[in-house]
Amino acid sequence: DIVMTQTPLSLSVAPGQPASISCQSSQSLLYSDGRTFLFWYLQKPGQSPQLLMSEVSRRFSGVPDRFSGSGSGTDFTLKISRVEAEDVGIYYCMQGIRLPITFGQGTRLDLK
Amino acid sequence: QVQLQESGPGVVKPSETLSLTCTVSGGSIRTYYWSWIRQPPGKGLEWIGYMYYSGTTNYNPSLKSRVTISIDTSKNQLSLKLSSVTTADTALYYCARHLVGAIEADSWGRGTLVTVSS
Repeated sequence: DIVMTQTPLSLSVAPGQPASISCQSSQSLLYSDGRTFLFWYLQKPGQSPQLLMSEVSRRFSGVPDRFSGSGSGTDFTLKISRVEAEDVGIYYCMQGIRLPITFGQGTRLDLK
Repeated sequence: QVQLQESGPGVVKPSETLSLTCTVSGGSIRTYYWSWIRQPPGKGLEWIGYMYYSGTTNYNPSLKSRVTISIDTSKNQLSLKLSSVTTADTALYYCARHLVGAIEADSWGRGTLVTVSS
C-alpha cells in the first residue's frame, strides 16, 4: 500500500495568519497521463469529510480561494493564505493512483 | 442534490456479521460509483471498497476476505457486509459517492457508528 505521511500532526494558527500542511507519499502519485492523484479533505468537528482539492491543486466547488495546493511526485502542500474560524478541523491528504486508496493520518488545525 | 444516509445496528457482537445500508436520495444510484469508508473513534480514515451498479467492485486487500459490497438498484441502496467482526472493526462507517471516472469521493453521508461488543 502507498503510505501517506502528513506533517505537522497538529497546528495552531491565529485568525488571519497563514497555515501550511505537508503530505508525503511513499510512491510517486504521477500517472502516465500526466495527472497526479493527490487529494485533500477537511473534516470539520462533528462532520463527515468534505473534498477540498482534487489532483493537487484543483479546488472543489465552493472551496474558497484562500486554499491552494501544490507539489509533485511524492511531496505536496496545502496552504491556507488567511485562516478563518470555519477552517478548524482535521485535514487529510489522500492518494488515488493505486488501490487501495489510502489517507494520511490527519493534521488537526485549531485557532490560537 | 444527492443525499446519502447510512443505517444499521449500532452494536454487533464479536464474530458476527456487520450489515449496513446506505440509502441514496435525489439521484440514481446507477449514475455514480459508491464507496464505504470507515473511521475508528479518534482515528483516521480507511477505505473499505467501492462498487458500480454494473457489478464492478474493488476491495481493500486488508478486508477483502470479510467484505461484500452490493447495490440494489430497485431501492437505490448500497450495502456493506463485514463478517467475523472484532473490536477492531468498531468505527464510524461512511458511504460516499464518486463521479464516474473519479477516484475521489465528492459527497459523503453523515456516517453511522458501529460498536463491536458482547
